[in-house]
Amino acid sequence: DTEVTQTPKHLVMGMTNKKSLKCEQHMGHRAMYWYKQKAKKPPELMFVYSYEKLSINESVPSRFSPECPNSSLLNLHLHALQPEDSALYLCASSHPPGTLNTGELFFGEGSRLTVL
Amino acid sequence: QQQVKQSPQSLIVQKGGISIINCAYENTAFDYFPWYQQFPGKGPALLIAIRPDVSEKKEGRFTISFNKSAKQFSLHIMDSQPGDSATYFCAASMDSGYSTLTFGKGTMLLVSP
Repeated sequence: DTEVTQTPKHLVMGMTNKKSLKCEQHMGHRAMYWYKQKAKKPPELMFVYSYEKLSINESVPSRFSPECPNSSLLNLHLHALQPEDSALYLCASSHPPGTLNTGELFFGEGSRLTVL
Repeated sequence: QQQVKQSPQSLIVQKGGISIINCAYENTAFDYFPWYQQFPGKGPALLIAIRPDVSEKKEGRFTISFNKSAKQFSLHIMDSQPGDSATYFCAASMDSGYSTLTFGKGTMLLVSP
């Protein structure tokens, strides 16, 4: 069983809707990540948070808005999405650099998003 | 550009056979090379990883071979089983930064019974 929990597992939304994806980890990791994965493609990095601060934004459109309320939680707020944004959204966590970081990323099972 | 090239794109192996997936990288600053296994509908999970100070690492039926001079590494799955059928991603990252992995394009492995 994964130690990174993502909800919901499936989400269908219209282009005018506002929704959020949620991620939770209890491994004491202080780095958390959002990845986007299209079918039959590798995961693509979107955002990295370290100690609850946004450290990396891979030029993601502003219709995706990340939030890290505390060290265990990571949200991805969605607004005015396009059908091409339909994908599997993966949350991951790790120890941040310079600490206990072994390089390993722990992924959740993902939230399957469909934009109509 | 940081790239990791993975081959083959798909692979069919008979039960009990050896599955071999190859990757090549360009950035010599990479110093961590994991393999992730992903089943349909699941997130990727770390299978095995290696650092450049060793040429081979074995965990059970899974072995990574690493050739630093050629900038290549490969995954060998011995005695392949139907339960190994999944997509395998090689990846690379720099230890000095976050675990921002550069993934290969993936290999879909099917182990026939």
